[in-house]
Amino acid sequence: GAGVSQSPSNKVTEKGKDVELRCDPISGHTALYWYRQSLGQGLEFLIYFQGNSAPDKSGLPSDRFSAERTGGSVSTLTIQRTQQEDSAVYLCASSFVGGMNTGELFFGEGSRLTVL
Amino acid sequence: QQPVQSPQAVILREGEDAVINCSSSKALYSVHWYRQKHGEAPIFLMILLKGGEQKGHDKISASFNEKKQQSSLYLTASQLSYSGTYFCGTEAGSNYKLTFGKGTLLTVNP
Repeated sequence: GAGVSQSPSNKVTEKGKDVELRCDPISGHTALYWYRQSLGQGLEFLIYFQGNSAPDKSGLPSDRFSAERTGGSVSTLTIQRTQQEDSAVYLCASSFVGGMNTGELFFGEGSRLTVL
Repeated sequence: QQPVQSPQAVILREGEDAVINCSSSKALYSVHWYRQKHGEAPIFLMILLKGGEQKGHDKISASFNEKKQQSSLYLTASQLSYSGTYFCGTEAGSNYKLTFGKGTLLTVNP
């Protein structure tokens, strides 16, 4: 498909384990975003990539969270030593940056993380 | 800083109108509107750039008042398909960082 692909779609893990969430953006989209969606909290900004670099990591909740992007394409969000409060849907979005403002974001279906 | 949306929820009958507001304490560069249906990804509706422009998309339109740092989404003659959670996203400066509000749950009943 031509859309943003995220995997896994569902992940159940035990407290203290590490998890990796993957995002495959739309081909040619230079910008990639990670958001977290918890019930009633809207879309919480985590990190933004332009190419392989992350100009803004300000939304990462703690040092247990990290993300990388390679080849200007696939991105991985890693959560170490997961806690129950990390349970949420993690959404990835990509965008073509062609002007001075953020363009339309195309979202993936999300990865639902449940920490027991 | 997260924009503030109001109301948090609204229930309409098919054919009625609704307005959803979005305000920010920061000077805004652009405002985005997205709609998310339950269990689905958010879908883009429109972008408004500073300059007080207004845009429309079928019976959904929006305005952006950069002096007041506010945007409003107008849904006229609502349809059942309009049901979902509406999010505004704001960009403060040309930095490509989009910060979303907590959303407004819109329910359209027959």
